[in-house]
Amino acid sequence: QITLKESGPTLVKPTQTLTLTCTFSGFSLSTSGVGVGWIRQPPGKALEWLALIYWDDDKRYRPSLKRRLTITKDTSKNQVFLTMTNMDPVDTATYYCAHRTEVVVVFDYWGQGTLVTVSS
Amino acid sequence: QSVLTQPPSASATPGQRVTISCSGSSSNIGSNYVCWYQQLPGTAPKLLIYRNNQRPSGVPDRFSGSKSGTSASLAISGLRSEDEADYYCAAWDDRLTGYVFGTGTKVTVL
Repeated sequence: QITLKESGPTLVKPTQTLTLTCTFSGFSLSTSGVGVGWIRQPPGKALEWLALIYWDDDKRYRPSLKRRLTITKDTSKNQVFLTMTNMDPVDTATYYCAHRTEVVVVFDYWGQGTLVTVSS
Repeated sequence: QSVLTQPPSASATPGQRVTISCSGSSSNIGSNYVCWYQQLPGTAPKLLIYRNNQRPSGVPDRFSGSKSGTSASLAISGLRSEDEADYYCAAWDDRLTGYVFGTGTKVTVL
């Protein structure tokens, strides 16, 4: 049974750095083809893919946010981290982490999401 | 800014069929698999369709997906009240080297 759960601050101030943690179980991020991604959704708006890290540590980022994002993993602890610098109120959103494999090619299991509000 | 375009809304009465379109380009839908998600209010997206037309275990066969060229469609037949949700298409984009999601379609059961 695959589960993922996001954790991190619910409120950050403008210009601060956000660090989110995705803690997962039921799979290993050292298995070939497996990846974990981050997706966000501003209130009332559409889903927006942010970043993806693969089992071999290959990483992909949303081009428009690449300079602000860093995704890393700790395979031994079954965790993936997302850092986003210079937070702005427009970054207020629910942030999801999700599991990906070569079988389905997309994100098949998602965490419950965590709402991050950017406000002074 | 979404790269995949969906109609904002769709509706039908219970038992009817509703179809949602997803329009992309040669770098995403035109050359990669399409998937569809259902998002009920206040919950995380749920995978409905992957690899254009495959259903994960547990997804009813009332949901079906198709793809042609740079467009894709999700059809829901035998519409039920519990199908009232937001639906998103998604695909890998070779030009962006990342995933792109659709603008989302709100399905209302009349």
